[in-house]
Amino acid sequence: AQSVTQPDIHITVSEGASLELRCNYSYGATPYLFWYVQSPGQGLQLLLKYFSGDTLVQGIKGFEAEFKRSQSSFNLRKPSVHWSDAAEYFCAVGVENNAGNMLTFGGGTRLMVKP
Amino acid sequence: DAGVTQSPTHLIKTRGQQVTLRCSPKSGHDTVSWYQQALGQGPQFIFQYYEEEERQRGNFPDRFSGHQFPNYSSELNVNALLLGDSALYLCASSQIRQGYEQYFGPGTRLTVT
Repeated sequence: AQSVTQPDIHITVSEGASLELRCNYSYGATPYLFWYVQSPGQGLQLLLKYFSGDTLVQGIKGFEAEFKRSQSSFNLRKPSVHWSDAAEYFCAVGVENNAGNMLTFGGGTRLMVKP
Repeated sequence: DAGVTQSPTHLIKTRGQQVTLRCSPKSGHDTVSWYQQALGQGPQFIFQYYEEEERQRGNFPDRFSGHQFPNYSSELNVNALLLGDSALYLCASSQIRQGYEQYFGPGTRLTVT
């Protein structure tokens, strides 16, 4: 079965600094990969997705992620963090099968932004 | 265009009771998935409905059941509530041909006392 690991539970960065959130997955074939953001008391918003093709994907709010098959990673990056980026970030993997489209999520990384 | 809506927003129940949560998918979507998010954890897949049938199920007991209506809206039912069922329940909708493009609702916060 597939699994997702987000090694960093909490990360604090200064506003304007760069950001990288780590995500590692376990799955035998090429998975579908996603990053979601969740603000307090709200649902999940899709930031970006990778299905195939170019391994560097661009998302909303200035985020990007790079799929590295050799490292089973899909790390999220942003060159300059804004205070409004403070939230919880979840990496997820989807596995294609005829039965359904379930997503498996990591435990999340809480991002705090210092002024 | 309304996104995914869920009701109620919050709910408090007592152990042993039953609860029903509701979800209306985004316009044009025909598939609904339910996830449970315990405090401090990532969402866990409960099940997915398409064409009014359960299409896939995660590792949840039979106390968790669901239904999808002809208008694609869905209900999640939980019987014999346990304290451990306290969580945020998220509904996500998608189109069957783009099943992984799942749009999430704001969730229902269930507290079991």
